Amino acid sequence: EAGVVQSPRYKIIEKKQPVAFWCNPISGHNTLYWYRQNLGQGPELLIRYENEEAVDDSQLPKDRFSAERLKGVDSTLKIQPAELGDSAVYLCASSLKSAGGAQYFGPGTRLTVL
Amino acid sequence: AQRVTQPEKLLSVFKGAPVELKCNYSYSGSPELFWYVQYSRQRLQLLLRHISRESIKGFTADLNKGETSFHLKKPFAQEEDSAMYYCALRSSSNTGKLIFGQGTTLQVKP
Repeated sequence: EAGVVQSPRYKIIEKKQPVAFWCNPISGHNTLYWYRQNLGQGPELLIRYENEEAVDDSQLPKDRFSAERLKGVDSTLKIQPAELGDSAVYLCASSLKSAGGAQYFGPGTRLTVL
Repeated sequence: AQRVTQPEKLLSVFKGAPVELKCNYSYSGSPELFWYVQYSRQRLQLLLRHISRESIKGFTADLNKGETSFHLKKPFAQEEDSAMYYCALRSSSNTGKLIFGQGTTLQVKP
């Protein structure tokens, strides 16, 4: 089993530029999560999907962040425009179900905004 | 507010010494507690969860509701245990959302 796949692994952009991250969850996992991990901190949830529906996006900065999960499988997280404070590791995780299901994490995308 | 606190950023022990990584939480209901581990250059992975009450790689953790703690323990540390450890909480409302502590780096010296 490949596990959760994320790309790219690293991304360096200048501020005000757009950026997108892609996640492919474990096959059969209905629930998908995007977390952001700032340096020296634990991950913080940005958005959670149940199939193609975003059921918890309360922590997503909607003025510049957007996400989609078309067909309930792959997901894309976008930032437009990026700010210096967006530099972080963006983690994708998936689980069979949100209630009681263990979450499996991808390797993350390390974003640096210059 | 729901919160997880890991008071130590770094814990350094010698091989064979006992290890205890502290985790305290703040939550009014009945949370589900987890320990995640991240080895160097690897992804974050689940180590253990309190409902399983099992020992993984020699590690155990007991949920103490009175002290709102979920400390991770191992009687004899090994060099391969060196990693970043995160304590996490999931609320009983089963939203799926994990709330993580800041993490503790465990360094096991030979």
